[in-house]
Amino acid sequence: KNQVEQSPQSLIILEGKNCTLQCNYTVSPFSNLRWYKQDTGRGPVSLTIMTFSENTKSNGRYTATLDADTKQSSLHITASQLSDSASYICVVSRPFSGGYNKLIFGAGTRLAVHP
Amino acid sequence: GAGVSQSPSNKVTEKGKDVELRCDPISGHTALYWYRQSLGQGLEFLIYFQGNSAPDKSGLPSDRFSAERTGGSVSTLTIQRTQQEDSAVYLCASSPNGVAGGEQYFGPGTRLTVT
Repeated sequence: KNQVEQSPQSLIILEGKNCTLQCNYTVSPFSNLRWYKQDTGRGPVSLTIMTFSENTKSNGRYTATLDADTKQSSLHITASQLSDSASYICVVSRPFSGGYNKLIFGAGTRLAVHP
Repeated sequence: GAGVSQSPSNKVTEKGKDVELRCDPISGHTALYWYRQSLGQGLEFLIYFQGNSAPDKSGLPSDRFSAERTGGSVSTLTIQRTQQEDSAVYLCASSPNGVAGGEQYFGPGTRLTVT
């Protein structure tokens, strides 16, 4: 079954600290892996997109890694800020006929950054 | 420019009533997607439009759910004879096209509560 599992389910850290969120997937075939940030009451916003040939991609204080052999990804947040408080969703894209990609979503990690 | 907009932002309805949810995608985006997000769950794919046709409607949970798209733009998701288990946030996303690697831009969602 095509699945995306994230851990931890929730996390509390102090402002200024670093943290790493984990994602394991069993989706096959695989097109790309995405990390989204979803603020409460808002739609998800893309942070990074990586193909299977990419090992790491950064977007400001966010750095995503991908190991396509072990089917694992991580999102590292450096020097956290209060505005980083949100849900972080790992999403794996699976190709379908005609070039269309279907996104398969993890349940997300809810991050709370405290002052 | 304007992002994806959805209306209404909140909808409370009685069990058994029909509801219509609207999505206005980013202008020029040919691909449009509907997702459902239940409390504590990952986003669940419902249907994908390319232009006015729906190549993938495999995620619609029952025949009470239907969607249409007109003029390659606005889409409406209709739920007939609503049930309490239909309560969720319904998210719409659009992308310039549906091909691999395409970024999806999400709207803020419609929170549906069935009483």
